[in-house]
Amino acid sequence: GIQVEQSPPDLILQEGANSTLRCNFSDSVNNLQWFHQNPWGQLINLFYIPSGTKQNGRLSATTVATERYSLLYISSSQTTDSGVYFCAVGGNQFYFGTGTSLTVIP
Amino acid sequence: DAGVTQSPTHLIKTRGQQVTLRCSPKSGHDTVSWYQQALGQGPQFIFQYYEEEERQRGNFPDRFSGHQFPNYSSELNVNALLLGDSALYLCASSPVLGTEAFFGQGTRLTVV
Repeated sequence: GIQVEQSPPDLILQEGANSTLRCNFSDSVNNLQWFHQNPWGQLINLFYIPSGTKQNGRLSATTVATERYSLLYISSSQTTDSGVYFCAVGGNQFYFGTGTSLTVIP
Repeated sequence: DAGVTQSPTHLIKTRGQQVTLRCSPKSGHDTVSWYQQALGQGPQFIFQYYEEEERQRGNFPDRFSGHQFPNYSSELNVNALLLGDSALYLCASSPVLGTEAFFGQGTRLTVV
């Protein structure tokens, strides 16, 4: 299967700071999604981004498919951004990384 | 528009028992996938159903089986439960095979 590496594994930020989360994957893929897992376990869709750049409010993402990586940018972080962020890649099935655990402190 | 719904939300079973988890896909979606997420790990793909047939399967034993009904809803069955089957089970649906997936809130299974 496809190997997915996310970095950093853990991140602690002061409220208002910016951050970049990275996702590297081992093979070419047709699909790539970023998720935020809430404390109750639900995966919330952030971006469906097999290639290119997208922005949604304070969040943006860029995928460079030819170089097999994707970046998630969080600007002006808020305490509600805390949680685990997953990158998932694949074709018909998704391969997940082990996530980045983000803690935003006031 | 209701999203992906799963039931039950929590379940406690005894080792050796059998369990059935249920999933209703998002309206307009015909593809359903199941994932297992152990504590501290990313979700792992179990299998995928499309047109009532299992289309792909991950590295899970035959104790894990499933079904998709004509209304696209799906069940995940696990037989002969092991302690290691304790996990969050997530269901995802897609409008078309291989496109953006939407996940339910999950079923947290504890095997004692």
